[in-house]
Amino acid sequence: EAGVVQSPRYKIIEKKQPVAFWCNPISGHNTLYWYRQNLGQGPELLIRYENEEAVDDSQLPKDRFSAERLKGVDSTLKIQPAELGDSAVYLCASSSVDRQPYEQYFGPGTRLTVT
Amino acid sequence: TQLLEQSPQFLSIQEGENLTVYCNSSSVFSSLQWYRQEPGEGPVLLVTVVTGGEVKKLKRLTFQFGDARKDSSLHITAAQPGDTGLYLCAGTSDNTDKLIFGTGTRLQVFP
Repeated sequence: EAGVVQSPRYKIIEKKQPVAFWCNPISGHNTLYWYRQNLGQGPELLIRYENEEAVDDSQLPKDRFSAERLKGVDSTLKIQPAELGDSAVYLCASSSVDRQPYEQYFGPGTRLTVT
Repeated sequence: TQLLEQSPQFLSIQEGENLTVYCNSSSVFSSLQWYRQEPGEGPVLLVTVVTGGEVKKLKRLTFQFGDARKDSSLHITAAQPGDTGLYLCAGTSDNTDKLIFGTGTRLQVFP
């Protein structure tokens, strides 16, 4: 089966500019996650969707970050405006609540560099 | 706050050596997963353990879940350069799907 697809793979922008990331989860996976990963560290959850509903967005900096998952499939994560500290890898993952224990499958990530 | 501490943080070894990576917490987890992440890629799931004391083997990799489900270890026998990467443990608790990631162990295996 096809894995989690993310685009773009790399993005370089100047601070204060907007940026958007796209994710297509594994077919049939109703749960989708966005993580941020700083160099050499483990991923940190930003937001979790069950179908089209955001069920955990407690770690999402809502002043500049937004996300949506229309129709419960693809998702986009947006930053506006970007700050230097937003430079990181943004990972998307998906899982199926029908399959326990819950196992998440990750995409390749988008490496964001803010200059 | 649940924390998963991994040790060592960095490990550089020669091909053929054995190594063990530890993942420790003061909290109980319902499942513990191990991932390997290569540069420029997302984490790839290696194994999931759910039962205290459980041991799983994946070729040269042996994973163990502690009896109390608070810790885990990953042992690699006869390491190869292809084992190089960032190893992450991650736990779930209370039958939720929220993953708590460990601090990571960066392994480098030299030919």
